[in-house]
Amino acid sequence: GEDVEQSLFLSVREGDSSVINCTYTDSSSTYLYWYKQEPGAGLQLLTYIFSNMDMKQDQRLTVLLNKKDKHLSLRIADTQTGDSAIYFCAESAPTDSWGKLQFGAGTQVVVTP
Amino acid sequence: DTAVSQTPKYLVTQMGNDKSIKCEQNLGHDTMYWYKQDSKKFLKIMFSYNNKELIINETVPNRFSPKSPDKAHLNLHINSLELGDSAVYFCASSPPKSSYGYTFGSGTRLTVV
Repeated sequence: GEDVEQSLFLSVREGDSSVINCTYTDSSSTYLYWYKQEPGAGLQLLTYIFSNMDMKQDQRLTVLLNKKDKHLSLRIADTQTGDSAIYFCAESAPTDSWGKLQFGAGTQVVVTP
Repeated sequence: DTAVSQTPKYLVTQMGNDKSIKCEQNLGHDTMYWYKQDSKKFLKIMFSYNNKELIINETVPNRFSPKSPDKAHLNLHINSLELGDSAVYFCASSPPKSSYGYTFGSGTRLTVV
């Protein structure tokens, strides 16, 4: 999406940490999301963060939000081969109260043994 | 039990044909969506319905017509198919004004030849 940008590709070795970055432009965004898409499947919601938070941790996943720079990141600790997928960042804005999400173009994560 | 189910999973058809994709959700959600994912994995919203009423209608050719017979179903009918319609179409649902993101179907891969 033109309002949400992500790097397109990330290669990481098994056991290392992965960091996927995203920038967004709508400063009124209330919620920011990370979705995972495995080959041939739909998108699966991994985690989300409310805009008044700086950090959210959920098991191996850590989300960091820098509102000043409009920067969102997803860190995956101890990356496994099953983490190979496309990861999408998405934002929703309060001006659209029907939950419309604006997605980034996705980051292809490849985990190598 | 599949939460958001789409049929068919694959659809190959000739230019000029008319086809439909069906979507059903058993989550009790009020809001349903159609997204198009192109060959570069870019996701763009097409339509959104809330409790059978059209809420969002992005710039989509009027060859695409959504129909929601009840709040659990949102079907997509496409007339006079063109080569550029080839994509993966995702249905999704969410509670109204939800902060919790969407639940996606597994997608319908449409190939127009």
